Amino acid sequence: EPEVTQTPSHQVTQMGQEVILRCVPISNHLYFYWYRQILGQKVEFLVSFYNNEISEKSEIFDDQFSVERPDGSNFTLKIRSTKLEDSAMYFCASSVGQGSNQPQHFGDGTRLSIL
Amino acid sequence: GENVEQHPSTLSVQEGDSAVIKCTYSDSASNYFPWYKQELGKRPQLIIDIRSNVGEKKDQRIAVTLNKTAKHFSLHITETQPEDSAVYFCAAPRNKLVFGAGTILRVKS
Repeated sequence: EPEVTQTPSHQVTQMGQEVILRCVPISNHLYFYWYRQILGQKVEFLVSFYNNEISEKSEIFDDQFSVERPDGSNFTLKIRSTKLEDSAMYFCASSVGQGSNQPQHFGDGTRLSIL
Repeated sequence: GENVEQHPSTLSVQEGDSAVIKCTYSDSASNYFPWYKQELGKRPQLIIDIRSNVGEKKDQRIAVTLNKTAKHFSLHITETQPEDSAVYFCAAPRNKLVFGAGTILRVKS
């Protein structure tokens, strides 16, 4: 069964540094998402992406965050200047159609630790 | 925006018993309701979903019921097993997934 893959599985970064999290969505999916989960809390939406542009973003997704689909397979989340409170699990997800009525499939996540 | 409330926050059952988790949502335009299971340190995994044109859907030991009038939907797990122990999240998508707070299910053997 095709899966969403994410790299790295764990990223440790100094506060203030830039970090890029990578995702390869399922190949025939057209909608891509980033979510984050702070330890012990629920999964929170960050951003959705379709047709090479952001379709929706949450208030968490401020100017420090950006997303990109640099080629036909990768989907990246960049945090420009990391803060301690960015420490969380970051999940990428993808769906065939719009997430309002199509299943979203999640990757295994990247655990981001900011020191 | 969409608001999803999930109850209970924790649920302990004896192996073999049934477990029921309930969610309510606020946006009457929502028409697709997935349930995710998340084991410790792992990804949320879609286990069952329902669309608003049906009231119930079953897949082996798990079922989901939907009451659109009351705006709530429930996850039912029968004959629970220790491997059902996990955190379960409901969601009410509006393009993005709006998750409930999660239910920690513990199945005691």
